Amino acid sequence: QQQVKQSPQSLIVQKGGISIINCAYENTAFDYFPWYQQFPGKGPALLIAIRPDVSEKKEGRFTISFNKSAKQFSLHIMDSQPGDSATYFCAAIGSWGTYKYIFGTGTRLKVLA
Amino acid sequence: DTEVTQTPKHLVMGMTNKKSLKCEQHMGHRAMYWYKQKAKKPPELMFVYSYEKLSINESVPSRFSPECPNSSLLNLHLHALQPEDSALYLCASSFAGPYNEQFFGPGTRLTVL
Repeated sequence: QQQVKQSPQSLIVQKGGISIINCAYENTAFDYFPWYQQFPGKGPALLIAIRPDVSEKKEGRFTISFNKSAKQFSLHIMDSQPGDSATYFCAAIGSWGTYKYIFGTGTRLKVLA
Repeated sequence: DTEVTQTPKHLVMGMTNKKSLKCEQHMGHRAMYWYKQKAKKPPELMFVYSYEKLSINESVPSRFSPECPNSSLLNLHLHALQPEDSALYLCASSFAGPYNEQFFGPGTRLTVL
């Protein structure tokens, strides 16, 4: 019940295309959903985050779509660039007695020039 | 200064050694975290310190011993590790709790022989 399922495992997109990564969770106690970007040899960096009372949030080329009833959320990267090539992790945070901070399994994105 | 620094960058140790990892931030953050990340896997939360007190221990074996000497410093003491403990150890900090943006350090790459 604490798992966060992420798909696809890897993704190849042409420059200028849209990259879409999906995540699903089971426990409705999760109430904060960040996305992280990680380059090789670096720690993850927060991209964008959303709370379940909002269905969509946009920051620059990055958009999170959130479907509370389906317990799913997705990251859309518009106008994908080679510099976006990295591993992306969704995460879910909740508090039931103690905090739970669970990362998805990760998506390796490669944007072709 | 929006940086989390970690030392050393690389560490090789034998199973009988005692070593320590160090993490430092000067952003005035009051929550600090240790994560373990195996290759091609997501980060896994190990410990959370909130206002210099250990608030979360995710059932981590006692051969890992965290310490928070002050609000800017976080240590992870290692003793009698196993080869399967080889991983990237990431430190992070946030203004308060897990619902605030976490800033990650670059990690310490640990190899246990």
